[in-house]
Amino acid sequence: EPEVTQTPSHQVTQMGQEVILRCVPISNHLYFYWYRQILGQKVEFLVSFYNNEISEKSEIFDDQFSVERPDGSNFTLKIRSTKLEDSAMYFCASRGTNTGELFFGEGSRLTVL
Amino acid sequence: AQSVTQLDSHVSVSEGTPVLLRCNYSSSYSPSLFWYVQHPNKGLQLLLKYTSAATLVKGINGFEAEFKKSETSFHLTKPSAHMSDAAEYFCVVSDRGRDDKIIFGKGTRLHILP
Repeated sequence: EPEVTQTPSHQVTQMGQEVILRCVPISNHLYFYWYRQILGQKVEFLVSFYNNEISEKSEIFDDQFSVERPDGSNFTLKIRSTKLEDSAMYFCASRGTNTGELFFGEGSRLTVL
Repeated sequence: AQSVTQLDSHVSVSEGTPVLLRCNYSSSYSPSLFWYVQHPNKGLQLLLKYTSAATLVKGINGFEAEFKKSETSFHLTKPSAHMSDAAEYFCVVSDRGRDDKIIFGKGTRLHILP
């Protein structure tokens, strides 16, 4: 069964460092998403991506964040200068059509020290 | 804009008894609605979805949900709880075709008592 894969599963970084979280969506999917979940809190929408551009983003997704689909398979989330409050589980998701279900990866846990 | 409200942050039921997890939504357009489950230290797994076909939707593991437009609800039910059902459950809404922001409810943690 096709699945969304994310790397790394866990990353520890120092405050102020750049972090790149990687995702490989399901191959024929067209819509891509990043969500985050701070420990013990709700799953929050960060950004959606379609046709090589951002289609929606939340207020959380400020200038420190960027997304890219550099090679037609990977979908990356970059945090330019991490803050303590960026510590969270980050989930990548993809879907094939506008009405389809979201398929989630297992998540990347980011710990900022 | 769409929103979703899960009315209970925690629900406890005894094994073998029915489960009801409540979800209300608001949507300017025709919504798609989903329930996802998250077991401890795991990712998010789709339980079931509503996308304008039958209003009673059956999902995996014996769960089902009914879309009630008049009540703007999409409650999740299961006739008989199992210990393995203990997890966090998220109700999710998407405005089909209108925008691409898919919104999660705050989640309901389901506890199963032996």
